[in-house]
Amino acid sequence: DQQVKQNSPSLSVQEGRISILNCDYTNSMFDYFLWYKKYPAEGPTFLISISSIKDKNEDGRFTVFLNKSAKHLSLHIVPSQPGDSAVYFCAASAPAGAQKLVFGQGTRLTINP
Amino acid sequence: KAGVTQTPRYLIKTRGQQVTLSCSPISGHRSVSWYQQTPGQGLQFLFEYFSETQRNKGNFPGRFSGRQFSNSRSEMNVSTLELGDSALYLCASSLALAGGEETQYFGPGTRLLVL
Repeated sequence: DQQVKQNSPSLSVQEGRISILNCDYTNSMFDYFLWYKKYPAEGPTFLISISSIKDKNEDGRFTVFLNKSAKHLSLHIVPSQPGDSAVYFCAASAPAGAQKLVFGQGTRLTINP
Repeated sequence: KAGVTQTPRYLIKTRGQQVTLSCSPISGHRSVSWYQQTPGQGLQFLFEYFSETQRNKGNFPGRFSGRQFSNSRSEMNVSTLELGDSALYLCASSLALAGGEETQYFGPGTRLLVL
């Protein structure tokens, strides 16, 4: 039972354009959502998060949108840069297990020059 | 502030052996969580320790265990290793303030290969 899903295993975007990564979840108890970026053989690096009481959070080139009714969140990267090429994971947690993150399977983003 | 550190970074063991991995959290962080990453299963939660007590547990067999020391450093142990235990083991720490919505920060991981 996969509670957090990233349905696109890979995404290719041209440098300078917008990258949009999507994530769906099924557990309505999730109240905190995070995006991590990961390079091979390294640990995930925290990018941005959003609480369920918000629908948007912005940090520089990164914006996360949350649609609770659709149980969907997305990460927008504008403009995309070559250094953004990595695997992106969305993760969610519920109040009962705040330190227990449930991860999606990841989306490999490739930024083409 | 130094990040989460994990030792060793790489480890090769044979089936049936046991292994101990170590994690030092970010200074001031009181919660340490462990995750396993494999190509087939992705990133899966193993367990979380807070104040030297296991507070949350994932769906892994009893061969996987851990502990936390008074300085918040944590170790995880895998006994009777199986080939399927080959994975990247990640440690994450957080402040663990009341109210949830905690951001976890990850270490570089320990790559375990079981032969």
